Parts: sequence; C-alpha cells; structure tokens
Amino acid sequence: DTAVSQTPKYLVTQMGNDKSIKCEQNLGHDTMYWYKQDSKKFLKIMFSYNNKELIINETVPNRFSPKSPDKAHLNLHINSLELGDSAVYFCASSQVPTEAFFGQGTRLTVV
Amino acid sequence: AQTVTQSQPEMSVQEAETVTLSCTYDTSESDYYLFWYKQPPSRQMILVIRQEAYKQQNATENRFSVNFQKAAKSFSLKISDSQLGDAAMYFCAYRGNQAGTALIFGKGTTLSVSS
Repeated sequence: DTAVSQTPKYLVTQMGNDKSIKCEQNLGHDTMYWYKQDSKKFLKIMFSYNNKELIINETVPNRFSPKSPDKAHLNLHINSLELGDSAVYFCASSQVPTEAFFGQGTRLTVV
Repeated sequence: AQTVTQSQPEMSVQEAETVTLSCTYDTSESDYYLFWYKQPPSRQMILVIRQEAYKQQNATENRFSVNFQKAAKSFSLKISDSQLGDAAMYFCAYRGNQAGTALIFGKGTTLSVSS
C-alpha cells in the first residue's frame, strides 16, 4: 500500500485554467504539507496542516487554495494558472518527531 | 527563521570510494531534527538518514553516516563504498519539534558516481 499518494502524476494545462491535485496518506499522521519544487530543484514549503487546521501559509498567491476535508486528505486547488506555476508539487505527511513521507510528486506544466 | 545551507552544488565520486556532502544550518531552537533525503531521477523523495539533536551519537544507516556537530551547526553526510545507484540529488533538511512545523530544505547537492 502506498503511504502517501497524490494524483495526477502529470498535469499539462493551458494558462488561465483551474486545476486540482489530490493527496491522501494512510499513515495516520496528523500533519500534511504541500511543497513546490522549482526548475532549480529547490523545495519550498507552501502549506502545512495539522489535524485539518492550517498552520503554515507561506507567501503563496491567493490563486492557490489548500483544502483538508479530513486528517488523511489534503488537496491543492489552483485558479487561473500561470506559466510560472509550472513546477513539481509534492504532498507529504509526518508525525512529530518523525521524518516526512513524500508522495511521488505532480509535474504541472502550464502552456 | 531557520535556514539550511548546502555549499556544494555538485560532487562526484568513483565507485567504491567515499564522499562527504556538507550541510550547515542556523537555528535558535535547542530541540530539532535533521535529515538527509535522496532524490533520484524518478523524483521520489527518499529518506536516507535522520539525526535527533538531543542525541550526541552520530546516526548510521549501512553505508551512510553523519557527522553531527551541534555547536558548529554542521550536519555532513558520508557515503562509503559508493555505488552507481547512489547517484542522485541529496537534500539536507531541518525540522523543529512543534506539531505542524515543516521541513526546511537546503538547495541540494547533485552527486554523480563514475565506474
């Protein structure tokens, strides 16, 4: 069984569209994250949820909206996609004090 | 704010040799955790090793070991008997001890292994 799974793995879409990435973890962790990995491979935290409560909300455009319907799910919705949103988006989960477990990433390409 | 610095964008090593990847961090916290992750071309993030700051003993996982110097805020990764499969991007990461805190990553070191 996959510990952290996110869908889709690849997403190609046009500028201006709205898209969602879904994430689910079956590890029973309390905390889930969204990270963005840019073209230079830098991993930057976007959001962190603990028990469905938003804990970290980094400087991210309002077009990005996370939603956590329950502890095991954290989805990312992106409105009005721009070329600069092209990146790999990782979902992860953790339980203090363990490490974070990552999904396989979603490569988003905006054309 | 905590920061993580990896000063070596690229490193190379020959098979069976040993290589050390450097990492320094800055924090005012006393209780925290440090990690090394490996990201091969498949882009999967794989945990290599973990170190708790309160433990003086350096962590070891098979061919991977760390040199944790708390006072110097240094956390280097040593890979012994390097194998072709070790070629990947390696990220050093820091995490505080509060619920909901995120891992903060360095910019990564690309390791190439030659036969």
